[in-house]
Amino acid sequence: AQSVTQLDSHVSVSEGTPVLLRCNYSSSYSPSLFWYVQHPNKGLQLLLKYTSAATLVKGINGFEAEFKKSETSFHLTKPSAHMSDAAEYFCVVTASNTGNQFYFGTGTSLTVIP
Amino acid sequence: KAGVTQTPRYLIKTRGQQVTLSCSPISGHRSVSWYQQTPGQGLQFLFEYFSETQRNKGNFPGRFSGRQFSNSRSEMNVSTLELGDSALYLCASSGQGAANEKLFFGSGTQLSVL
Repeated sequence: AQSVTQLDSHVSVSEGTPVLLRCNYSSSYSPSLFWYVQHPNKGLQLLLKYTSAATLVKGINGFEAEFKKSETSFHLTKPSAHMSDAAEYFCVVTASNTGNQFYFGTGTSLTVIP
Repeated sequence: KAGVTQTPRYLIKTRGQQVTLSCSPISGHRSVSWYQQTPGQGLQFLFEYFSETQRNKGNFPGRFSGRQFSNSRSEMNVSTLELGDSALYLCASSGQGAANEKLFFGSGTQLSVL
């Protein structure tokens, strides 16, 4: 069975400092993994995705994530936080080999302190 | 290109009533999936339609149903509403509905059951 666990429900960082949002996954086959972001009163937007092409994945707005099979992790990082990064972040794993069915993590709320 | 459009934006219903939500995917997209988002449960997959056929289904009771039309527009119906059905219902579309494909989300329909 496929699942994801986001290890922190809330993360606070100061503007200009690094961001680390942690995600562990469980999958019975080689998974596709994603990070989505949800800004207040806005729709969900894809940040980046891993589909086995490369273990280090670069996304939009300076975010990147590294797929580590040995640790079953897919942590999201950014070198320097910006005020506009404040949002809810979701780690997502494919639930099926066929079609769009995904398991979403419970989300991590990122606060950026000026 | 217009994004995913969901109507209505807000709905207020009472227990026992039924409700129909509508989703128009991005032009050319053939896969439409539905998610329920609540503060306690996060995002949970309801079902996915591709070429007018339900291809994947989540663990929701039979009161939740959907359909897709030949123009890929989709509707979701909830019958005999319960208080616990209060949630943000999100629709997402993708081109071919592949397991590693990016989802484009609508802004959602906020359903309140009184």
